[in-house]
Amino acid sequence: QQQVKQSPQSLIVQKGGISIINCAYENTAFDYFPWYQQFPGKGPALLIAIRPDVSEKKEGRFTISFNKSAKQFSLHIMDSQPGDSATYFCAVRGNTGNQFYFGTGTSLTVIP
Amino acid sequence: ETGVTQTPRHLVMGMTNKKSLKCEQHLGHNAMYWYKQSAKKPLELMFVYSLEERVENNSVPSRFSPECPNSSHLFLHLHTLQPEDSALYLCASSQDLAGGPRDEQFFGPGTRLTVL
Repeated sequence: QQQVKQSPQSLIVQKGGISIINCAYENTAFDYFPWYQQFPGKGPALLIAIRPDVSEKKEGRFTISFNKSAKQFSLHIMDSQPGDSATYFCAVRGNTGNQFYFGTGTSLTVIP
Repeated sequence: ETGVTQTPRHLVMGMTNKKSLKCEQHLGHNAMYWYKQSAKKPLELMFVYSLEERVENNSVPSRFSPECPNSSHLFLHLHTLQPEDSALYLCASSQDLAGGPRDEQFFGPGTRLTVL
């Protein structure tokens, strides 16, 4: 059973636009919700993360919106830039710390 | 060297070969992880080590054998692999397993494995 469902699979956005990627999870025993960014030939790198006690977290152009009751969280990239073109993964972590579940990834392309 | 390093970066092996993947973290972390990344599939957590003890083994076939000789090094020993095992194998580390403010996992660049 897939613990995290991520959409869309791919996304094309104009420079300066807003990129939105969504994730939904099944289990309520998760306590940490990170987003990772991966460039070709590199490992994923943490972009931003949120805990379930807050509904929104913003770092620069990146914002996570978290809806605990709906078991959904999303990544918003404001003023998207060509350098943001990468694959983005959401993830959830079990509250024992031993389990991480990742989404299938979203390939973002920002057109100049 | 900084961060998390992995060697080799690319590996081609036959189904009867035995090979090992190496991961080294230079961050002073206590937890290390092996992941498998296949195209169009979610990253799959394979093994978790905390303070050199294995704390998670996610139903991984026995043809994959991890080893953590100390908190800075993690190996993945491979033998009699199948073509469907071809994937990017990623190593990661974190300060601790859970709790506290420092939950971030740092990933290495991965080893691209091809099984013929």
